[in-house]
Amino acid sequence: GAGVSQTPSNKVTEKGKYVELRCDPISGHTALYWYRQSLGQGPEFLIYFQGTGAADDSGLPNDRFFAVRPEGSVSTLKIQRTERGDSAVYLCASSLRGYGYEQYFGPGTRLTVT
Amino acid sequence: TQLLEQSPQFLSIQEGENLTVYCNSSSVFSSLQWYRQEPGEGPVLLVTVVTGGEVKKLKRLTFQFGDARKDSSLHITAAQTGDTGLYLCAAKSGGSYIPTFGRGTSLIVHP
Repeated sequence: GAGVSQTPSNKVTEKGKYVELRCDPISGHTALYWYRQSLGQGPEFLIYFQGTGAADDSGLPNDRFFAVRPEGSVSTLKIQRTERGDSAVYLCASSLRGYGYEQYFGPGTRLTVT
Repeated sequence: TQLLEQSPQFLSIQEGENLTVYCNSSSVFSSLQWYRQEPGEGPVLLVTVVTGGEVKKLKRLTFQFGDARKDSSLHITAAQTGDTGLYLCAAKSGGSYIPTFGRGTSLIVHP
């Protein structure tokens, strides 16, 4: 079956602009995670959804970052007033349930802020 | 915040060689996972270990969880070019559902 998909695969934007990154999880997976991976680093947790609600958003770095999952499936990560330091690969993962279930990662969106 | 230290950071070897990479911390973990990530892809889970002293084998890969559940190792026997990639360890502590990732070991296997 289809895995986790993310669009766009690459996004180049200018400093100060607004961007939206989309994640389509595996069908039927109730848990969805967003991570950020900077060059030479491992993935860093941003936010975790269980269904439609954000169960844990403690990893969001500041209020420029926001994510939604209105119907409990597709999720959108939104970044306002982008900064050069936001440049990274943004990874999405989904799992059948939450705790204890294997996470399946998408290929990521590479965001470059110029 | 728990910190996972992975070593070595980079490893370049010839096909057929053996290698071991390490994941260490001062914290005790409830579970630890190893992932492999190829360029342009997300991490793919290789194994989960939960019991201190546990050893798991996946073909030519052997994973060990330390007795005190603070460290882990991954040993690859007779490396192949297809083993090239970034090897990440990730661990959870207590009842947390959020794994913390190490920085990874970047492995290149030359033909």
